[in-house]
Amino acid sequence: AQSVTQLDSQVPVFEEAPVELRCNYSSSVSVYLFWYVQYPNQGLQLLLKYLSGSTLVKGINGFEAEFNKSQTSFHLRKPSVHISDTAEYFCAGIFHNTDKLIFGTGTRLQVFP
Amino acid sequence: GAGVSQSPRYKVAKRGQDVALRCDPISGHVSLFWYQQALGQGPEFLTYFQNEAQLDKSGLPSDRFFAERPEGSVSTLKIQRTQQEDSAVYLCASSPTENYGYTFGSGTRLTVV
Repeated sequence: AQSVTQLDSQVPVFEEAPVELRCNYSSSVSVYLFWYVQYPNQGLQLLLKYLSGSTLVKGINGFEAEFNKSQTSFHLRKPSVHISDTAEYFCAGIFHNTDKLIFGTGTRLQVFP
Repeated sequence: GAGVSQSPRYKVAKRGQDVALRCDPISGHVSLFWYQQALGQGPEFLTYFQNEAQLDKSGLPSDRFFAERPEGSVSTLKIQRTQQEDSAVYLCASSPTENYGYTFGSGTRLTVV
């Protein structure tokens, strides 16, 4: 079955520290991958997406992610986080021959001063 | 409008009541998706339209759920005889064809009491 897994439900980190949010996908077919951020009581905002080409993808707000086919991963990274980065982060994938996004369960990033 | 608009923003329904949730996609967006997001969970796919055609309704949890997009723009998600387990945020997203540029609305928070 095609799925997206986010193993960390919560990630606490201090302000200005680096952070990595992990995402793995489970499929042998081609996949497009996405990271979304959700602030409280708001919809989902696209951070970045990988469709093809360079495996290192840069997004908004200083975030980047690397597509690793051999490890079936698409981890999200930021070298220095801000308090305002506190939010829920969702990894999602679109698998070959479908159009629907399949989401992971989300990771709550909590940035402390 | 500039974004995906969903109404109402909040809805409280008595158990057994019928509800209708509205989604206004971005003008010209061909694809429209409905997702259900339970508290603390990632969004779960419900159904997908391309123009007025409902191409995938595999995620609708029961025959009490019905969605339509009669003119290929505005969509309505209807839930009949609501039950407590229907309480969730219902998200709508639209996208132009083939660039996977999904834009999500802010959602409708449904509470069944």
